[in-house]
Amino acid sequence: GQQVMQIPQYQHVQEGEDFTTYCNSSTTLSNIQWYKQRPGGHPVFLIQLVKSGEVKKQKRLTFQFGEAKKNSSLHITATQTTDVGTYFCAAKTSYDKVIFGPGTSLSVIP
Amino acid sequence: EADIYQTPRYLVIGTGKKITLECSQTMGHDKMYWYQQDPGMELHLIHYSYGVNSTEKGDLSSESTVSRIRTEHFPLTLESARPSHTSQYLCASSPTYNEKLFFGSGTQLSVL
Repeated sequence: GQQVMQIPQYQHVQEGEDFTTYCNSSTTLSNIQWYKQRPGGHPVFLIQLVKSGEVKKQKRLTFQFGEAKKNSSLHITATQTTDVGTYFCAAKTSYDKVIFGPGTSLSVIP
Repeated sequence: EADIYQTPRYLVIGTGKKITLECSQTMGHDKMYWYQQDPGMELHLIHYSYGVNSTEKGDLSSESTVSRIRTEHFPLTLESARPSHTSQYLCASSPTYNEKLFFGSGTQLSVL
């Protein structure tokens, strides 16, 4: 079935460094969502991208949707300890199911 | 903040017991989902629903069943729990017009 891949699986950064996670699909996506899950918590919606080449910013977070709508990225500028958690991308399949990528776990070293 | 509730928060039961995990939302969302997640791992879709009397299986094979008799309620039932069912179960809902999922706090199930 349709799959969404995500890299890297883990990322350890020094506080203040930048962080990027990438999401890829073998098929064209109608839209893509990003979620953050803190340790011990549940996923929380961050943003949805719909248009080809779309770029959206939320403070230090920048989200991009590829021109072909098969890939997406989340970039965090100058990470803080509050950014710790797992970042998931998610997409709707052709059957209207919402599937999640495997996630990127971010650790921030103070 | 999302109004979606899951009970119980934690459940420890013995093998062979029948259990029902409750999920309710007060946002009037048509779409609801159940995901299974092991610690630090990805979310696997096990069931979803487009609305009342509509249920579909997800990508991960599951021995659980669901029902959707009312819009706000989407319970998940295991007829005979086994240790392999030990996991966290997350319920979510979304409006008809987009895929912005609101998650409950989850039920951590341990089967001994």
